[in-house]
Amino acid sequence: GQQVMQIPQYQHVQEGEDFTTYCNSSTTLSNIQWYKQRPGGHPVFLIQLVKSGEVKKQKRLTFQFGEAKKNSSLHITATQTTDVGTYFCAGRNYGGATNKLIFGTGTLLAVQP
Amino acid sequence: SQTIHQWPATLVQPVGSPLSLECTVEGTSNPNLYWYRQAAGRGLQLLFYSVGIGQISSEVPQNLSASRPQDRQFILSSKKLLLSDSGFYLCAWSFTGGDGYTFGSGTRLTVV
Repeated sequence: GQQVMQIPQYQHVQEGEDFTTYCNSSTTLSNIQWYKQRPGGHPVFLIQLVKSGEVKKQKRLTFQFGEAKKNSSLHITATQTTDVGTYFCAGRNYGGATNKLIFGTGTLLAVQP
Repeated sequence: SQTIHQWPATLVQPVGSPLSLECTVEGTSNPNLYWYRQAAGRGLQLLFYSVGIGQISSEVPQNLSASRPQDRQFILSSKKLLLSDSGFYLCAWSFTGGDGYTFGSGTRLTVV
């Protein structure tokens, strides 16, 4: 079945350093979404990318969808302690059930002040 | 605006006991509804999803079942819990157009 892997599993940074998590799918995706889950909380939707090669920014966060629509990345510039949490990508199979998302394995970000 | 309610927040149940977790959505009609399970420190596993009343799709064979008796109500059940059923259960909804999911606050289930 479809698999969505993320690397790294865990990253510890000093506040102010940059952070990137990578998402790779075994199949072509129709779109990719990103979610953030704070410790003890529930996932919160951040953004959706649809087009091949698309890049979107939200303040210090930059999201990218690969040209082949099989990978994506999330880059955080100058991390802050409020960025702590697990970041999940989630994708839908191209041509698959339109409302079924498969979540990636997640990257846990720890930020040391 | 739309809201999603999930309860209870925490639950400790003995092995072999039944389970019923409820999720309701307000402020929208005919949402897609989902149940996910998250093991400690792990990713999200899709258990069930529903595109309408009485329509349930099961993603993994297991000890759980789901029902959608009303448009905005989604219930996760088990007749006899196993230790392996412990985890963080999350309900979510989305519009049929395939936008982002909105998750409930989750239920932490511990089977003892």
